[in-house]
Amino acid sequence: DIVMTQSPDSLPVSLGERATINCKSSQSVLYSSNNKNHLAWYQQKPGQPPKLLISWASTRESGVPDRFSGSGSGTDFTLTISSLQAEDVAVYSCQQYYATPYTFGQGTKLEIK
Amino acid sequence: QLQLQASGSGLVKPSETLSVTCTISGGSIITNDYSWSWIRQPPGKGLEWIGYIYHRGSTYYNPSLKSRVTISVDRSKNQFSLKLSSVTAADTAVYYCARGGQGGSGSANWFDPWGQGTLVTVSS
Repeated sequence: DIVMTQSPDSLPVSLGERATINCKSSQSVLYSSNNKNHLAWYQQKPGQPPKLLISWASTRESGVPDRFSGSGSGTDFTLTISSLQAEDVAVYSCQQYYATPYTFGQGTKLEIK
Repeated sequence: QLQLQASGSGLVKPSETLSVTCTISGGSIITNDYSWSWIRQPPGKGLEWIGYIYHRGSTYYNPSLKSRVTISVDRSKNQFSLKLSSVTAADTAVYYCARGGQGGSGSANWFDPWGQGTLVTVSS
């Protein structure tokens, strides 16, 4: 199985400041045939199911604010929130869909400092 | 707008079988040959993918759970279901259903949308 490891587990950030969450996979999730990274990011607010934010490591889903961005390739990925808003408080998880079984990171809890 | 809703047995005794069903509305389970997945989240922990099914009935299960999992589909009711046998306290979790991709290497196999999960507690 591909192991996904996120850091940090918890991240306190002041409103308006930048938040950076890291995700590392135990093997590359870059698929050579399409040159795409098979990596997604989700946002999960308390009592709600996860919501897809980003696919292909850097493609924002429709309706996702542009303060959210994804980057990285191969085994190392980053989710960045450029200016933290109160409504961004949530748990963020990465997921690889390069190979079954599909696996998730353990989640990073983003909170207001 | 496609919506999914999970429902099921809220309390299950150890060694018994957990059963949850996902009802799809606003779209058809046979559209575009998507996969339909079950994913669970133990309280305070991360997400674990359980397996998927296609409307024609083909399945793939996480090897870590394969011996205990059965996923089935009812096209007439626009539903798919999960059964997990021989449960223990470690199977206590919120069980989510979600639409996946079309499977296969190189495909867009993320999960979107997700249903509002259902909490299943294993306790005597």
